[in-house]
Amino acid sequence: AQSVTQPDIHITVSEGASLELRCNYSYGATPYLFWYVQSPGQGLQLLLKYFSGDTLVQGIKGFEAEFKRSQSSFNLRKPSVHWSDAAEYFCAVAPMDSSYKLIFGSGTRLLVRP
Amino acid sequence: DADVTQTPRNRITKTGKRIMLECSQTKGHDRMYWYRQDPGLGLRLIYYSFDVKDINKGEISDGYSVSRQAQAKFSLSLESAIPNQTALYFCATSDSSAQGRSNEQFFGPGTRLTVL
Repeated sequence: AQSVTQPDIHITVSEGASLELRCNYSYGATPYLFWYVQSPGQGLQLLLKYFSGDTLVQGIKGFEAEFKRSQSSFNLRKPSVHWSDAAEYFCAVAPMDSSYKLIFGSGTRLLVRP
Repeated sequence: DADVTQTPRNRITKTGKRIMLECSQTKGHDRMYWYRQDPGLGLRLIYYSFDVKDINKGEISDGYSVSRQAQAKFSLSLESAIPNQTALYFCATSDSSAQGRSNEQFFGPGTRLTVL
């Protein structure tokens, strides 16, 4: 079955530490890939997206993600976390065989220790 | 800035009441969506609309109805609200002519609905 998995429900890191949030998908062909962030009381903001080409994608707020076809993964990274990065992060995929679907993972809540 | 707006932002209602959530967009996008977000479940699609005369059910449409009054407006109704419809509701838009046809979606700020 088609699915998007974010295995970590919560992650806590210290401010200034590096961050990696995991995302795996299960689809027949490589879908379009997205990371969204939801800050407390806010809507979803697009951090970055992968359509094709370079497998390392740069996004806003210093985030990047790497697409690994062999692992069906699209992990989100940031070299140095700021307290303002505390939020919930959603990985999403848009299957190429659908013109409307956007399938979301269950989200990872990031807590930042001072 | 072109935007997606939702009204109300918060609503508390009672079981059995009819509720309408409204979404407007100034992005000029043709497609609009309604999702609900529940803790630990991510976002799930309720309804989507390709244009004013093309409305489709998503994965969890039972208990909901929608109306696309114009290209820029898409309303979600709960005809008789029940407590398990307590959730955060998001409206989103996309442009079917966008490069790559990737279905990148743009989200409103959400409506927090509580059904007592």
